[in-house]
Amino acid sequence: GDSVTQMEGPVTLSEEAFLTINCTYTATGYPSLFWYVQYPGEGLQLLLKATKADDKGSNKGFEATYRKETTSFHLEKGSVQVSDSAVYFCAPLGRGGATNKLIFGTGTLLAVQP
Amino acid sequence: DAGVTQSPTHLIKTRGQQVTLRCSPKSGHDTVSWYQQALGQGPQFIFQYYEEEERQRGNFPDRFSGHQFPNYSSELNVNALLLGDSALYLCASSLALDNQETQYFGPGTRLLVL
Repeated sequence: GDSVTQMEGPVTLSEEAFLTINCTYTATGYPSLFWYVQYPGEGLQLLLKATKADDKGSNKGFEATYRKETTSFHLEKGSVQVSDSAVYFCAPLGRGGATNKLIFGTGTLLAVQP
Repeated sequence: DAGVTQSPTHLIKTRGQQVTLRCSPKSGHDTVSWYQQALGQGPQFIFQYYEEEERQRGNFPDRFSGHQFPNYSSELNVNALLLGDSALYLCASSLALDNQETQYFGPGTRLLVL
């Protein structure tokens, strides 16, 4: 079945450091790919998305490129801030059946220290 | 532009009881999906509603049921509550014309079963 694998957290960085969170997926067909962010005690916020191979999604300094050949969608940010501390979820959109549903892994906790 | 809203924000129930959670989709959206997020885990798809019908169901027992109203809002009902039903319940809305691709989440309802 469809699945996603993210790097184990927590990822601890100092402010202004470079961030990479790895994500690989298995899915039937040609899924759209999403990154969501969850701040403590809150729901999920859509961070960025990409719908086809080589597309780059970007938002708030974060970016990720859809790599079909390696089935990956790694999240990057050039300079993290304390306010970026949160759990990040990579989620392919599983197609098939009567609808499309998001497939989530366990997420990656990012902790940014001042 | 009103986002996805959920009520209540928190709920405490005892084993064997029944609970109803409510969701209003983002303005203009017509599809509602429900996800369960256990502590420390990623969200798991429960089911999706469109045109007042359940379109697809995840791996959840029949104790979990739902409903969608003509105004597109939705309810999630859980009967015969178990301790393991304690979780954050997330509602996400999307647009059928968009193939339910981009899903926007509400803040969630945190359910504690004692």
